[in-house]
Amino acid sequence: DIQMTQSPSVLSASVGDRVTLNCKASQNINKYLNWYQQKLGEAPKLLIYNTNNLQTGIPSRFSGSGSGTDYTLTISSLQPEDVATYFCFQHNSWPLTFGSGTKLEIK
Amino acid sequence: EVQLVESGGGLVQPGRSMKLSCAASGFTFSNYGMAWVRQAPTKGLEWVATISYDGSSTYYRDSVKGRFTISRDNAKSTLYLQMNSLRSEDTATYYCTRERRGYPDYWGQGVMVTVSS
Repeated sequence: DIQMTQSPSVLSASVGDRVTLNCKASQNINKYLNWYQQKLGEAPKLLIYNTNNLQTGIPSRFSGSGSGTDYTLTISSLQPEDVATYFCFQHNSWPLTFGSGTKLEIK
Repeated sequence: EVQLVESGGGLVQPGRSMKLSCAASGFTFSNYGMAWVRQAPTKGLEWVATISYDGSSTYYRDSVKGRFTISRDNAKSTLYLQMNSLRSEDTATYYCTRERRGYPDYWGQGVMVTVSS
């Protein structure tokens, strides 16, 4: 199984900050990497698919990059509504696997 | 608008069975693969099973293989998850998801399954 490791597990930042969340796969996942946002008590929502493609309706302050085993989600200017847990997800091979999440908080 | 509405959850004893349903609307159900993803209380997300658009192919995580069965009724736009021999570690919120090219793009609100005596 491909292990997905996210860092940090908790990130505290100020409104307006540029924040970067990291995700590392245990082997090459060929850019088949998605990011999901889950707010408290809600279902996850797709933000980014295949490394750097913004899902329809998602604000442009969200962006993704990476290749091979290392991927990042960047929020260019943190907003209060971005408080959530963010999960990376690989769909390169079975079983499909998620990272354990980064909880993003506002300072 | 894509809508996925799960039902059928609740409290069940270890070793017993339960069947989840997911009613889909707002898109042509028969054109999309579908999947179940679960989340144990205060834990992360775990993919459970996927079924192809026509039901001809299914995929399972090892821990549920032989116990869970994913199926679909395209005439009713409904996805199912039959869960047998349930264990305490199956306790979770189960999300129905629509698949787009191998990954979930839309999620239902989830249904809670609690396995406990």
